[in-house]
Amino acid sequence: ETGVTQSPTHLIKTRGQQVTLRCSSQSGHNTVSWYQQALGQGPQFIFQYYREEENGRGNFPPRFSGLQFPNYSSELNVNALELDDSALYLCASSLGGVRTDTQYFGPGTRLTVL
Amino acid sequence: DQQVKQNSPSLSVQEGRISILNCDYTNSMFDYFLWYKKYPAEGPTFLISISSIKDKNEDGRFTVFLNKSAKHLSLHIVPSQPGDSAVYFCAASTMGSQGNLIFGKGTKLSVKP
Repeated sequence: ETGVTQSPTHLIKTRGQQVTLRCSSQSGHNTVSWYQQALGQGPQFIFQYYREEENGRGNFPPRFSGLQFPNYSSELNVNALELDDSALYLCASSLGGVRTDTQYFGPGTRLTVL
Repeated sequence: DQQVKQNSPSLSVQEGRISILNCDYTNSMFDYFLWYKKYPAEGPTFLISISSIKDKNEDGRFTVFLNKSAKHLSLHIVPSQPGDSAVYFCAASTMGSQGNLIFGKGTKLSVKP
């Protein structure tokens, strides 16, 4: 069983640009959640997808959007990048259907916005 | 306003001794609590969880205690090993959520040989 993978590992963008981050969930996991971890902070929930539908959203603006695909891959898209978007972006997959399913995290993508 | 607080940014413990990591929360709707461990350049790894209907849960060297009246939980590691050195995050979720986790800022544990 492969773990959760994310790409790219690191990314540098300039303010105003758009970025797409990718995540590959564990096989059979129907739920993917995305978190933003700023320096010195804990991960902060962005949104969750269950069977390709958005299933919950944190306090993030609409320029943060996502997609989940049937092949257990997913994307986080951020438009009009701001300096404060610089952070580690983590995806986590879980079986889905039960709130207390364990979430398995990927290693993250480090985004730097200049 | 932080709903999950880990007030100690760091903790240093001698190998073989007990490590106690603390976490406080403010939202009385939280009913499920978790601890995650994070090594550098890796994602958080699930360690142990506890439901609000319990006050203690054990898994090997790791025990989590929950005091609902004080809105406080703690993670005990006995005995501590150098490989336990990592950042530990406390997290919580509410019954009405879809399982999205609210994390504390983390405590960096250093276990010295």
